[in-house]
Amino acid sequence: GQNIDQPTEMTATEGAIVQINCTYQTSGFNGLFWYQQHAGEAPTFLSYNVLDGLEEKGRFSSFLSRSKGYSYLLLKELQMKDSASYLCAVGDSNYQLIWGAGTKLIIKP
Amino acid sequence: ETGVTQTPRHLVMGMTNKKSLKCEQHLGHNAMYWYKQSAKKPLELMFVYSLEERVENNSVPSRFSPECPNSSHLFLHLHTLQPEDSALYLCASSQRTGSGANVLTFGAGSRLTVL
Repeated sequence: GQNIDQPTEMTATEGAIVQINCTYQTSGFNGLFWYQQHAGEAPTFLSYNVLDGLEEKGRFSSFLSRSKGYSYLLLKELQMKDSASYLCAVGDSNYQLIWGAGTKLIIKP
Repeated sequence: ETGVTQTPRHLVMGMTNKKSLKCEQHLGHNAMYWYKQSAKKPLELMFVYSLEERVENNSVPSRFSPECPNSSHLFLHLHTLQPEDSALYLCASSQRTGSGANVLTFGAGSRLTVL
């Protein structure tokens, strides 16, 4: 079957760095997505990786290793507004998105 | 209005009621989706309308009925729901090209409570 695993919850301190991991097993691979969802709001697109390596976008970076079925989202210089859920999703062979259950990130002052 | 708009934001209904959720996208996208989001569970794709073709998740009960009158509007008709249907229902749209990234733009969701 198809499966996406990510931690349920993580806690980090304002100003620090946090890494949210995502491992996947899917039938086919057409890219890996990260979305951010604040409580009561819409998920919003953060990043897309289709080739191995690191994609950097400001304070956020996303890494992919296709051979390991592994990705991480790295958040630097954490701010209180980064408290949210982070959703990992993989496009399968039919370009349908397979979703993880999300990681709730709690930022403490 | 910009992006993807969903109404109502909150809905409480009894098991014998009939109600509808509405979604409108202002992005010129060619695909629209209904997702169900339950606490601590992955997003569950319910229905996709893409280029006038409908794709559905076979596990979705028939008490959920989608309607897509045009590429900008999407409805989810609800009837004789069960308490376990209580969840956040998210609408999304995307520009499908058949290859490459299919980035979804989501609405804020309709929070449904079934009593």
